[in-house]
Amino acid sequence: DAGVIQSPRHEVTEMGQEVTLRCKPISGHDYLFWYRQTMMRGLELLIYFNNNVPIDDSGMPEDRFSAKMPNASFSTLKIQPSEPRDSAVYFCASSPLYHQPQHFGDGTRLSIL
Amino acid sequence: AQSVTQPDIHITVSEGASLELRCNYSYGATPYLFWYVQSPGQGLQLLLKYFSGDTLVQGIKGFEAEFKRSQSSFNLRKPSVHWSDAAEYFCAVGEGGNQGGKLIFGQGTELSVKP
Repeated sequence: DAGVIQSPRHEVTEMGQEVTLRCKPISGHDYLFWYRQTMMRGLELLIYFNNNVPIDDSGMPEDRFSAKMPNASFSTLKIQPSEPRDSAVYFCASSPLYHQPQHFGDGTRLSIL
Repeated sequence: AQSVTQPDIHITVSEGASLELRCNYSYGATPYLFWYVQSPGQGLQLLLKYFSGDTLVQGIKGFEAEFKRSQSSFNLRKPSVHWSDAAEYFCAVGEGGNQGGKLIFGQGTELSVKP
């Protein structure tokens, strides 16, 4: 079975531009998570979904960030407008059930110039 | 609040030597505990998990971890390290209650392996 698929793998854009990160979870997994990883703050949970419904978005840093899950096989994380401090690696993960291990994608390395 | 502490930011061991990575957690109930490994440029891969039962759990790649409730610890061990084990290791605790599958991660321990 294919793992969690994220695109793009790398994104370089200028400050102020809109950025959209994409994630395809493992088929059959009910939970989807978005994380951000930086040297300073480590791994931070931004938001997670259960059955396409956002459950906890308390980690979303500010209104410039938004996430959607229109169906069970696709999710997006959008930053608009982007700022240099948003530069990080963004991971998507999915899990089948409550407290089952999460499976991570390879991440999107985002650089905002 | 729940938290995970990995006291060692960076550890260097010689190839063939034994390894122990420390993890301490703060959690009121019985925790769900995980160890993940991250190689450069890649996502996190699950090494092992503890939910209940036997406090010594076996994982992939020859790793094991022991849950010690009295010490609030879940240390990762390997008897003989290989050069390919060089990576960053994360300990995580799963929140209970109505938090679903939310995980709290430690800051990670970077492992270097000397030839």
